[in-house]
Amino acid sequence: AAGVIQSPRHLIKEKRETATLKCYPIPRHDTVYWYQQGPGQDPQFLISFYEKMQSDKGSIPDRFSAQQFSDYHSELNMSSLELGDSALYFCASSSDRAYEQYFGPGTRLTVT
Amino acid sequence: RKEVEQDPGPFNVPEGATVAFNCTYSNSASQSFFWYRQDCRKEPKLLMSVYSSGNEDGRFTAQLNRASQYISLLIRDSKLSDSATYLCVVNTGANNLFFGTGTRLTVIP
Repeated sequence: AAGVIQSPRHLIKEKRETATLKCYPIPRHDTVYWYQQGPGQDPQFLISFYEKMQSDKGSIPDRFSAQQFSDYHSELNMSSLELGDSALYFCASSSDRAYEQYFGPGTRLTVT
Repeated sequence: RKEVEQDPGPFNVPEGATVAFNCTYSNSASQSFFWYRQDCRKEPKLLMSVYSSGNEDGRFTAQLNRASQYISLLIRDSKLSDSATYLCVVNTGANNLFFGTGTRLTVIP
């Protein structure tokens, strides 16, 4: 079965640079979620989209923004990167906002 | 206080053992409950949803006690491949999940 696709899988950036992470949800899933997982931490919710509209916002810094496009894929844009932004960024998708979320393999971002 | 509290472990058990994990959640309005497993540096994978009536999937049994705001996961006949971190996850009705810090399980040959 098709899973959530994320790209790139690994990304190395320098401080103050920008990064764009992409997420392609499972086909026919209309909701996309972004999570950040720091080393030794549990995943922290950043933001979600339902039918291309932002539906909920968590601990996403103002330097980050995201959107969901007409084909339901989503992009997380990160600017003025800081060392503390180094983490695993997961995208998840679901076909119903209240139920199971399926995670992509994540993008490992390293900021140097 | 975290939305979801779990014993971080680690739990080291021999193959074939039965092991139980517990977690509590703070928001009484929480609507959906899940157990995910996460292997090192990999994505969380949905293990099972947890229903009020309790549910079983092979060697795995999940229970929910809404009155006590308590969720459990029982693993019978542990396999080496069960070694992972088990995450208790709660959806409060908002459009996101709250994760516990995870319980690390190592099954020993």
